[in-house]
Amino acid sequence: TQLLEQSPQFLSIQEGENLTVYCNSSSVFSSLQWYRQEPGEGPVLLVTVVTGGEVKKLKRLTFQFGDARKDSSLHITAAQPGDTGLYLCAGAWYKLSFGAGTTVTVRA
Amino acid sequence: DTAVSQTPKYLVTQMGNDKSIKCEQNLGHDTMYWYKQDSKKFLKIMFSYNNKELIINETVPNRFSPKSPDKAHLNLHINSLELGDSAVYFCASTPTSGGGEQYFGPGTRLTVT
Repeated sequence: TQLLEQSPQFLSIQEGENLTVYCNSSSVFSSLQWYRQEPGEGPVLLVTVVTGGEVKKLKRLTFQFGDARKDSSLHITAAQPGDTGLYLCAGAWYKLSFGAGTTVTVRA
Repeated sequence: DTAVSQTPKYLVTQMGNDKSIKCEQNLGHDTMYWYKQDSKKFLKIMFSYNNKELIINETVPNRFSPKSPDKAHLNLHINSLELGDSAVYFCASTPTSGGGEQYFGPGTRLTVT
């Protein structure tokens, strides 16, 4: 049983479009992390959100932590082919529990 | 200058064999992990060591035995390999134990035939 549910599982969009990835759980986490993984490589941390309701921006990426610290979303504005990858959310308590990931493909 | 390195990158072996994967981190972190990523890309923690001491041992067959000779190294030995062990194994490290930012290695793709 996965602690974190990510949706959608796959997302294919055209360059310039926007997209949102969701990460939901029934558990409360001390923090939530988002990673991006490219083929043949390990995941790389994008952001950590800690406070309920927190919003963080990283260039065209906007991350939000739910008020109850159980869910999060990642929004990409004007997606580019370089945004292609597997996006993983991970909830932190005494360890990290990962969602199953969202595979994002941005077509040129 | 690689922060977290793993060897080998690829490992192809037959059922029943014993194999090892090595991991080293030069970040000065206290905590190291082994994760398994299956064919559906689900990343699951297997073990965690803090300063050479085992602190997390998830439900993993005892054919898997981690060893940490010092806090910069964490190796994974697998006995009697099975088809279901085929996956990508990632080593990671964090400055402290708990759910901090993970620095991942490049992964070892294990294929059991």
